[in-house]
Amino acid sequence: GAGVSQSPSNKVTEKGKDVELRCDPISGHTALYWYRQSLGQGLEFLIYFQGNSAPDKSGLPSDRFSAERTGGSVSTLTIQRTQQEDSAVYLCASSFARREQYFGPGTRLTVT
Amino acid sequence: GIQVEQSPPDLILQEGANSTLRCNFSDSVNNLQWFHQNPWGQLINLFYIPSGTKQNGRLSATTVATERYSLLYISSSQTTDSGVYFCAVESYKLSFGAGTTVTVRA
Repeated sequence: GAGVSQSPSNKVTEKGKDVELRCDPISGHTALYWYRQSLGQGLEFLIYFQGNSAPDKSGLPSDRFSAERTGGSVSTLTIQRTQQEDSAVYLCASSFARREQYFGPGTRLTVT
Repeated sequence: GIQVEQSPPDLILQEGANSTLRCNFSDSVNNLQWFHQNPWGQLINLFYIPSGTKQNGRLSATTVATERYSLLYISSSQTTDSGVYFCAVESYKLSFGAGTTVTVRA
């Protein structure tokens, strides 16, 4: 696959449930980013992984949000006890050596 | 954090018209990118342009890093150019402007 892929493309969940969102970056890219885009808004940075360094979690909105990146490749964003305000499109991007970022198609999360 | 301001917020063009979108940023950056978000939400890379000028077909971009702004030029606009254009800058993380919504009418 040539691009960043994300799954699922859509997720509807009930308030209070946990969800996991997956990102497969471009092969060979060392950096991986998660962003969130609420309806009609710009993109909000969530978390950044670079190689084996400790991730930059400064954008995570609460301790209900966490992310991991296994083997320097695939990443999972987990949201625990989802709230309605978590509804948004969650976008993943990857880059090589912090150059140009390439985005996946996103996961649209709806919390009912 | 770095502030990114885009102007205008909305732009309506007649097909064939030219336009300029502007991005101002508040601090030195390592990286500046322009994206087009299509109606399906996909972010498409237009330019990686921390400085200088680049051209790709009907689109071109110029970044003057010392003056902290970048410009995106759309020439001979087409209806497929409609969507939201985002400027994003990176010091240690990518910060996005609010975008310019472009509507091109046939």
